[in-house]
Amino acid sequence: NAGVTQTPKFQVLKTGQSMTLQCAQDMNHNSMYWYRQDPGMGLRLIYYSASEGTTDKGEVPNGYNVSRLNKREFSLRLESAAPSQTSVYFCASRTVNQPQHFGDGTRLSIL
Amino acid sequence: AQSVTQLGSHVSVSEGALVLLRCNYSSSVPPYLFWYVQYPNQGLQLLLKYTSAATLVKGINGFEAEFKKSETSFHLTKPSAHMSDAAEYFCAVSEASNYQLIWGAGTKLIIKP
Repeated sequence: NAGVTQTPKFQVLKTGQSMTLQCAQDMNHNSMYWYRQDPGMGLRLIYYSASEGTTDKGEVPNGYNVSRLNKREFSLRLESAAPSQTSVYFCASRTVNQPQHFGDGTRLSIL
Repeated sequence: AQSVTQLGSHVSVSEGALVLLRCNYSSSVPPYLFWYVQYPNQGLQLLLKYTSAATLVKGINGFEAEFKKSETSFHLTKPSAHMSDAAEYFCAVSEASNYQLIWGAGTKLIIKP
């Protein structure tokens, strides 16, 4: 019972480096989400994908890109990492009329 | 626009005491309301949800919440705190139809022995 799987769990980058955070779900969910979590700010939506083949910006999309590779996978890319992107990143998925299920997060530090 | 306010970034209670975590929301349409719990270094887990059925909602681990439209509140309670309840709790709201969640800032629950 994997649910939502995020890789990697931890990553340290230097400013200007690029990387892709991976997310996969095995629950046949249509919608997938990427959030960032910063202390005292709750979760903020970066991008979401309501269904395979569609993506939309959330509250804080600048500096990020996403790809909905197929129904299972939704990746988040940082093209040129900045210290302000140091955060914990969560992927979530859901199906119709059901709440979101979350992965365990990727802890990303940018030096 | 929807918003969520959680009163108190930290709440401390003694083991066995009542837990009360406050959440107020604003929404121009009938809301769906959620409480999630996050244990250290883990993702968020759904505790309970309100989706316009019964106003008193029971969730996992002995928690419950009551939807009060007149007060625009959805406070989370548990009669008797356990050490294992120490975690961060998040309240979230969405429009009934879209499940796009707007999150509160979170309340860290501390349990004193």
